[in-house]
Amino acid sequence: GENVEQHPSTLSVQEGDSAVIKCTYSDSASNYFPWYKQELGKRPQLIIDIRSNVGEKKDQRIAVTLNKTAKHFSLHITETQPEDSAVYFCAAFMDSNYQLIWGAGTKLIIKP
Amino acid sequence: GAGVSQSPSNKVTEKGKDVELRCDPISGHTALYWYRQSLGQGLEFLIYFQGNSAPDKSGLPSDRFSAERTGGSVSTLTIQRTQQEDSAVYLCASTRDSNQPQHFGDGTRLSIL
Repeated sequence: GENVEQHPSTLSVQEGDSAVIKCTYSDSASNYFPWYKQELGKRPQLIIDIRSNVGEKKDQRIAVTLNKTAKHFSLHITETQPEDSAVYFCAAFMDSNYQLIWGAGTKLIIKP
Repeated sequence: GAGVSQSPSNKVTEKGKDVELRCDPISGHTALYWYRQSLGQGLEFLIYFQGNSAPDKSGLPSDRFSAERTGGSVSTLTIQRTQQEDSAVYLCASTRDSNQPQHFGDGTRLSIL
């Protein structure tokens, strides 16, 4: 079936450095790609999303890039801060069944 | 309210009992999803409602699980004859349309003794 692979599963970076999380998807018809942040014990919250008609989107320290040909998209966080520590999930929307297919998550640890 | 509301926030019950979990989506959102999240794991899709269409139940793990959505708004997830492996956080999300951002509730933490 369709799936989304997310890497790495854990990422540890020094405060102030950049973090990059990558996802690949299998359904070439996918056209919507959100990223969610989930802090410990909290609900997942949307932080940024991108649609297939654009290649990059930026919101302050967060950016997402999409390569439709290669079927992968990435989350970039610059100037990381302690409050960026969380689990990040990527997802790809499937037109065939109107569902989001979720990645397994990346635990981001910001070292002081 | 402004967000997705779930109740109860915590539920502890004995193995074999039935439980009902409730989700009140954002007003006007036509699509509603239920997910299960075990400790330290990702989101496991359970069921999807869109308007008046028949729900997509393809993610329900067994026939002990069922869900309904009355009047296109509030949804109830029912687990019958609970087992210890049902222990998890059950998350509900709603969205204006299926390819729009999903808004999550705080979840129900279910513990089966």
